Amino acid sequence: QVQLVESGGGVVQPGGSLRLSCAASGFTFSTYGMHWVRQAPGKGLEWVTFIGYDGSDKYYTDSVKGRFTISRDNSKHTLYLQMNGLRAEDTAVYYCAKNPPYSRGYHFDYWGQGTLVTVSS
Amino acid sequence: EIVMTQSPATLSVSPGERATLSCRASQNVISNLAWYQQKPGQAPRLLIYGASTRATGIPARFSGSGSGTEFTLTISSLQSEDFAVYYCQQYSKWPPITFGQGTRLEIK
Repeated sequence: QVQLVESGGGVVQPGGSLRLSCAASGFTFSTYGMHWVRQAPGKGLEWVTFIGYDGSDKYYTDSVKGRFTISRDNSKHTLYLQMNGLRAEDTAVYYCAKNPPYSRGYHFDYWGQGTLVTVSS
Repeated sequence: EIVMTQSPATLSVSPGERATLSCRASQNVISNLAWYQQKPGQAPRLLIYGASTRATGIPARFSGSGSGTEFTLTISSLQSEDFAVYYCQQYSKWPPITFGQGTRLEIK
């Protein structure tokens, strides 16, 4: 069965950096696009970034452009999110999510359990 | 950016009754719309994609309809496990992919 397990969250000071990881199993990781979606405490869902199956396509929401970088290592079945210049408004649970086959569009058919990032001094 | 607006913000319904949740897009998203269910402390779960196609393992009491800018999620006979927050999401024109603000479905 599909499993996505995030790690790397924690408490960081404003302006600091953090790298999140998402270990994937139960599917052919190298053939699917992947996303990061976040949820601030008590708030709704916000899409953050997408990476294509081979890493050649990357898209970001405007608020993280130039600060966050998505990447993947298909040999390790792992997705990453490098977060630099963190701000208080980046505080959220970060979910990695799998995209279904591209023929079905761009949404999220499986989600990890999430990892909490807290930006605070 | 396409803005997704869900209504109502909170819906109170008795178990066994029907629930109807609405989602409106600020532009035509054709049928590129998904619905998710999220329970407290859990990740969201995909219910519907393509506006009306149930995801794997989703019970038949969940149905989606609509196209263009107006969409509906219907739960035909509410079970106790259905009380949760529901989000719609468009993937017609992106980035960014955008979500509605959510509808909380609570027990009446």
